Amino acid sequence: KAGVTQTPRYLIKTRGQQVTLSCSPISGHRSVSWYQQTPGQGLQFLFEYFSETQRNKGNFPGRFSGRQFSNSRSEMNVSTLELGDSALYLCASSLGGGQGPLETQYFGPGTRLLVL
Amino acid sequence: QQQVKQSPQSLIVQKGGISIINCAYENTAFDYFPWYQQFPGKGPALLIAIRPDVSEKKEGRFTISFNKSAKQFSLHIMDSQPGDSATYFCAASKRNQGGKLIFGQGTELSVKP
Repeated sequence: KAGVTQTPRYLIKTRGQQVTLSCSPISGHRSVSWYQQTPGQGLQFLFEYFSETQRNKGNFPGRFSGRQFSNSRSEMNVSTLELGDSALYLCASSLGGGQGPLETQYFGPGTRLLVL
Repeated sequence: QQQVKQSPQSLIVQKGGISIINCAYENTAFDYFPWYQQFPGKGPALLIAIRPDVSEKKEGRFTISFNKSAKQFSLHIMDSQPGDSATYFCAASKRNQGGKLIFGQGTELSVKP
């Protein structure tokens, strides 16, 4: 069974630009969560999507948005990029069948974004 | 504020020794406590997880100890091996927010041969 895939793996952007990252969950998984990982702040939850609806949201500004498609694939978008947005963006998928926190989240390898 | 505090930030252990990483949480609504292992260039991978109705869970060389009254939990790695060298994260989530993990700051473990 293929794991969580994320594209692209690396990305360089300049301040003010916008970026879209993609995540394909494990087949059969309906929940997709996004996290930002930085050396200073560690792993921080961005948002979770389930059945095309945002189910949970972290404390990030509105420049960070996401969506989920009917095939459970998800995208996140960051508009008006700032230097501080440089990070590893991780996507995680789980079955999302209402089992709550007992489900295992499987992480992808991440997209490393560098903002210049 | 939902927060999970993890210590130490880094740890050096000799091969065959015991590695111990500690975490403390504040929100008593948390009811799921996983540990993740991350190697450079990879995403985190679930190592072991525990619910608060259990005080200890063991899987192979990895054991979670959970103290509900103290709001603390720890990871013990027995017979540590150089291949265990990685960054370890504790995390917590609430029953109604299964897809939202709150992570500790991470512990960089180095096991010396």
